[in-house]
Amino acid sequence: AQSVTQPDARVTVSEGASLQLRCKYSYSATPYLFWYVQYPRQGLQLLLKYYSGDPVVQGVNSFEAEFSKSNSSFHLQKASVHWSDSAVYFCALSDSNYQLIWGSGTKLIIKP
Amino acid sequence: DPKIIQKPKYLVAVTGSEKILICEQYLGHNAMYWYRQSAKKPLEFMFSYSYQKLMDNQTASSRFQPQSSKKNHLDLQITALKPDDSATYFCASSQDGTANSDYTFGSGTRLLVI
Repeated sequence: AQSVTQPDARVTVSEGASLQLRCKYSYSATPYLFWYVQYPRQGLQLLLKYYSGDPVVQGVNSFEAEFSKSNSSFHLQKASVHWSDSAVYFCALSDSNYQLIWGSGTKLIIKP
Repeated sequence: DPKIIQKPKYLVAVTGSEKILICEQYLGHNAMYWYRQSAKKPLEFMFSYSYQKLMDNQTASSRFQPQSSKKNHLDLQITALKPDDSATYFCASSQDGTANSDYTFGSGTRLLVI
């Protein structure tokens, strides 16, 4: 069965430090993968997506993610975080019925 | 201007009552969806509509009924409300219902059933 796992419920990094948020997926074929961000009291906003081709995809606000078929992963990265990046980040895949299967989310806390 | 409007933002309901959650999108999209976000659970897919037709329903209970009076509307009627229905309900839309469609989400309706 398809699934998305975000093993870290909460990640704390210092402002200016680099960031990696982990996402592992389980899917029988090559999936369509997404990262969304949810700021407090707002809806989800698309950060980036992967369909095929270059495994490193660029997104908004200098985020990028790397797809690894061998590791079944789609980790989100950023070279230098800003306090405004504090939010909850969701990894998702689109299944054969075109539904989004979501991870449980990772809350990112930025220390000053 | 918000591209997907969900009303109300907050809703408190009594157990056993009925409520309608409103969703309108102004993106010209052809597919609309409802998702539920409960405490400490991943987002759950509920319904998908394409061109005002139900495409998929993953909600076990018939107490949840989507209603599409116009192409850009997909309301959610919930009857016989239970405390377990307390959650944030997100409406979303995409250009069409394909796997690589970009979703746009509304800001959600937070429902509390007491």
